[in-house]
Amino acid sequence: KAGVTQTPRYLIKTRGQQVTLSCSPISGHRSVSWYQQTPGQGLQFLFEYFSETQRNKGNFPGRFSGRQFSNSRSEMNVSTLELGDSALYLCASSPGRRGENTGELFFGEGSRLTVL
Amino acid sequence: GIQVEQSPPDLILQEGANSTLRCNFSDSVNNLQWFHQNPWGQLINLFYIPSGTKQNGRLSATTVATERYSLLYISSSQTTDSGVYFCAETSYNTDKLIFGTGTRLQVFP
Repeated sequence: KAGVTQTPRYLIKTRGQQVTLSCSPISGHRSVSWYQQTPGQGLQFLFEYFSETQRNKGNFPGRFSGRQFSNSRSEMNVSTLELGDSALYLCASSPGRRGENTGELFFGEGSRLTVL
Repeated sequence: GIQVEQSPPDLILQEGANSTLRCNFSDSVNNLQWFHQNPWGQLINLFYIPSGTKQNGRLSATTVATERYSLLYISSSQTTDSGVYFCAETSYNTDKLIFGTGTRLQVFP
């Protein structure tokens, strides 16, 4: 059974550009969530999608957005990049059941973004 | 929301030594997980342990939900155990994982 797949693995952008990251969850999983990891702030929750709907959102500015497609694949976008957006972006999937605790989460290898 | 505290923040061991990592929670425990972050950044699932005790080889974990803490035991440590260990718990009814600040483990030969 394939794990969570994130692309691209590494990318370099300049300030002001925008970036789109992709995440394919484990087959059969319907919930996808995104996390940002930086040395200063640790691992922080960005947002969670279930059945193409954003179910939860963390405390990030509107430049950070995401979406989920009917096949449960998810993308996140960061517009007008800032130096502080340099981070490891991790995606997690779980079976997900609306309105219930969803149990164990499984993470992809991450997308490492560097903003110059 | 729930807060997660991990201790110790850093741990240095010689190969073969045993260690215990601790995680304390400010609220009820429902979906507690332990992860090992490898050098490339991926979070590797170690245990999903909302309660009780589990063992996997040299690693074991115990969660005492009523007292809101969990322990990760590493026995006969190896250099490949080096890395950062995180515990995390979900906010109620969400997939929002709240992570501790991690324990950085270094095992020397």
